[in-house]
Amino acid sequence: DTGVSQNPRHKITKRGQNVTFRCDPISEHNRLYWYRQTLGQGPEFLTYFQNEAQLEKSRLLSDRFSAERPKGSFSTLEIQRTEQGDSAMYLCASSSSTGREDTQYFGPGTRLTVL
Amino acid sequence: GQQVMQIPQYQHVQEGEDFTTYCNSSTTLSNIQWYKQRPGGHPVFLIQLVKSGEVKKQKRLTFQFGEAKKNSSLHITATQTTDVGTYFCAGTRTYKYIFGTGTRLKVLA
Repeated sequence: DTGVSQNPRHKITKRGQNVTFRCDPISEHNRLYWYRQTLGQGPEFLTYFQNEAQLEKSRLLSDRFSAERPKGSFSTLEIQRTEQGDSAMYLCASSSSTGREDTQYFGPGTRLTVL
Repeated sequence: GQQVMQIPQYQHVQEGEDFTTYCNSSTTLSNIQWYKQRPGGHPVFLIQLVKSGEVKKQKRLTFQFGEAKKNSSLHITATQTTDVGTYFCAGTRTYKYIFGTGTRLKVLA
């Protein structure tokens, strides 16, 4: 296994369009996190899954943002009716609940540009 | 809501000098993690602290968790050019990790 992968790596879209990103975690990891990061800032928590259950989510995910992890493996993050303020790097991370530490392994991210 | 502040925002040091970044949470944390992010890269896990007053060392890096579990620090002894990057702390009480704003370290050779 080569780590957490994310697709696409870059996405350019027009305002008002919907976009969907995919995250494939490390195969034995049951925990999955989505974050958003803008230039000069730390990652901003969006949501957390343990297996297929979404156990924690930011207020951002109550409106245009939605995330799924249907079989407890890969996850998707959808943004509806994109706005220019959604332009950011979207990071996915995974970890294992059986580990001594909750080490989060981050993927390379999907950079979203909304025109 | 929970906030995590980090200072300083930037630090430029001469190679060989020491460096410290501080992290303060508005609420008591169950654990705190530290990450390093190189320019153009993604965050890479460094360490997790769980116990009050805990101190951990990784070669030239020393991590501390405050007695009240609301603050933490990362100290690098004798910085090297490979230490360049942004250092983030991330605190949590559940599974919602709140990242600090980061300290960008520049090491001048």
